[in-house]
Amino acid sequence: SQTIHQWPATLVQPVGSPLSLECTVEGTSNPNLYWYRQAAGRGLQLLFYSVGIGQISSEVPQNLSASRPQDRQFILSSKKLLLSDSGFYLCAWSGGPMWTEAFFGQGTRLTVV
Amino acid sequence: SQQGEEDPQALSIQEGENATMNCSYKTSINNLQWYRQNSGRGLVHLILIRSNEREKHSGRLRVTLDTSKKSSSLLITASRAADTASYFCATDSSTGTASKLTFGTGTRLQVTL
Repeated sequence: SQTIHQWPATLVQPVGSPLSLECTVEGTSNPNLYWYRQAAGRGLQLLFYSVGIGQISSEVPQNLSASRPQDRQFILSSKKLLLSDSGFYLCAWSGGPMWTEAFFGQGTRLTVV
Repeated sequence: SQQGEEDPQALSIQEGENATMNCSYKTSINNLQWYRQNSGRGLVHLILIRSNEREKHSGRLRVTLDTSKKSSSLLITASRAADTASYFCATDSSTGTASKLTFGTGTRLQVTL
């Protein structure tokens, strides 16, 4: 069966420090991968999505970047964190175009201090 | 940007009552999905309704879709305390290989004993 792993679960980082959040999927190949951010008490904002290795699409201009070095690995990064980068980050995967559903990781609570 | 807007933002009911949540969206869709999120956790897929469907059932869940009004509703019958969570609608408007879901702002449901 397919599983998605996202870590760490919580992270407290100082302003100006770098960031690396990792997400891996098991049990499937060539998934579509997604990074979402959720502000407190709000809906999800799509940040990045990827349909294949090295293919990254950005939805909103921001201080973050994403990479997909392997088929089932998706990384969210920042060179210098801002206070506004705080939030709940969720990784998700789906089976591809016209997907039937998305499967989410458990999320990373990032607090920038 | 948010595609869907849920209504109400918060709903408090007693166990055994029915809970109805509504979702409105702006653009044409391939399908509409409902997800559930327990506090501080990832999202879990509940049900999907395709654009050519008008109603769908799954256990205690009933979803309707009115594409002419660009709206959907989620009904949870005979609610339980364990149904307490946030519920989000998500629309799939993808074309080609760029498949992505756009989420609404969510309804926070509280079911009390």
